[in-house]
Amino acid sequence: RKEVEQDPGPFNVPEGATVAFNCTYSNSASQSFFWYRQDCRKEPKLLMSVYSSGNEDGRFTAQLNRASQYISLLIRDSKLSDSATYLCVVPVNSGYALNFGKGTSLLVTP
Amino acid sequence: GAGVSQSPSNKVTEKGKDVELRCDPISGHTALYWYRQSLGQGLEFLIYFQGNSAPDKSGLPSDRFSAERTGGSVSTLTIQRTQQEDSAVYLCASSFTGRGYTFGSGTRLTVV
Repeated sequence: RKEVEQDPGPFNVPEGATVAFNCTYSNSASQSFFWYRQDCRKEPKLLMSVYSSGNEDGRFTAQLNRASQYISLLIRDSKLSDSATYLCVVPVNSGYALNFGKGTSLLVTP
Repeated sequence: GAGVSQSPSNKVTEKGKDVELRCDPISGHTALYWYRQSLGQGLEFLIYFQGNSAPDKSGLPSDRFSAERTGGSVSTLTIQRTQQEDSAVYLCASSFTGRGYTFGSGTRLTVV
């Protein structure tokens, strides 16, 4: 298994739809996880941190399944402005360096 | 500063030349990281500095790449004898306690 694996998409969804992305990781010792958002030709920006079984922030919900080693990101009521690439991020071994997935591309259409 | 500052924002250089990329992290952030992102690819870890500890250089692709961090603040990534495959966006990030990074806007390096 690759260290961090994501479906590259693209996911094309209409405004208002609910969309979910999954990410699998290989390092079973990982404790903290992140979802980043990257707009075209921009730097990645932290969207959510996931430290336990999951957390929710407005329309965004992140869930962690340690047994199966996957993380999911759920976006409800999609907005046009949600169009971006979503990066799943997992620590490298026990250090602070992070492994970034290649990202899942989301396009929300009117 | 308020954010992570990188310079230059764009750099075009001839193959074989040396380049220096600069990163000024968020004040007080003890950790500083360099990544690069090639067109259509994911982020590739290069090097990380944590406080006064020896840097983790495990991601540097060759000995043409080096980085230093002076006074626990500003960092410089140096690429010697640049090759075309070095063309990428070089991203610097900083963090406090390793909980999520703040990235700079990157330096877009083009080797011609």
